[in-house]
Amino acid sequence: ETGVTQSPTHLIKTRGQQVTLRCSSQSGHNTVSWYQQALGQGPQFIFQYYREEENGRGNFPPRFSGLQFPNYSSELNVNALELDDSALYLCASSLAGIGYTFGSGTRLTVV
Amino acid sequence: QQQVKQSPQSLIVQKGGIPIINCAYENTAFDYFPWYQQFPGKGPALLIAIRPDVSEKKEGRFTISFNKSAKQFSLHIMDSQPGDSATYFCAARLWGGADGLTFGKGTHLIIQP
Repeated sequence: ETGVTQSPTHLIKTRGQQVTLRCSSQSGHNTVSWYQQALGQGPQFIFQYYREEENGRGNFPPRFSGLQFPNYSSELNVNALELDDSALYLCASSLAGIGYTFGSGTRLTVV
Repeated sequence: QQQVKQSPQSLIVQKGGIPIINCAYENTAFDYFPWYQQFPGKGPALLIAIRPDVSEKKEGRFTISFNKSAKQFSLHIMDSQPGDSATYFCAARLWGGADGLTFGKGTHLIIQP
């Protein structure tokens, strides 16, 4: 049984650019959610995908968007990057909202 | 309404002691309460979780105590070890699960040898 894998592990982008982060779900999990974790804070819910549709969203602007693929893997896209977008981005997979398993995250730095 | 308040912010305990981390919530629509452990540079790892119809759950050295009427829950770590030094987060999930997890702000735990 494989866990949740995320890529890349680290990324540096310039303000105004766009970025795509990727996540492979744990085997058997059908739901993927994304979180933003600022330094010294708890993760903040961005959105969740189930059956390739977004079925829940936190307090994040539309420039944060995503996709879920038929194999349950997922992407997080962020447009028009701002300095405050610098954070650890975490992907979590679950089966029907139970047993959220997190990946190790992508550390995004916006300069 | 959707906040989860966690305390203390930091905690130092001697090896073998029992650190206790507390969380409180307001929204009675929360129906699933997990605890996560996070080491620097890693993602959160699920330790133990509880539903509100259960008052206590034990898994190995980790115990959750849940007080539904007070809307509070806590994590106890028995026989704590230096390897338990990490940041611990409580979280809660709204009924239905579409809103993901709401996390507390975390407790930085240090177990001294």
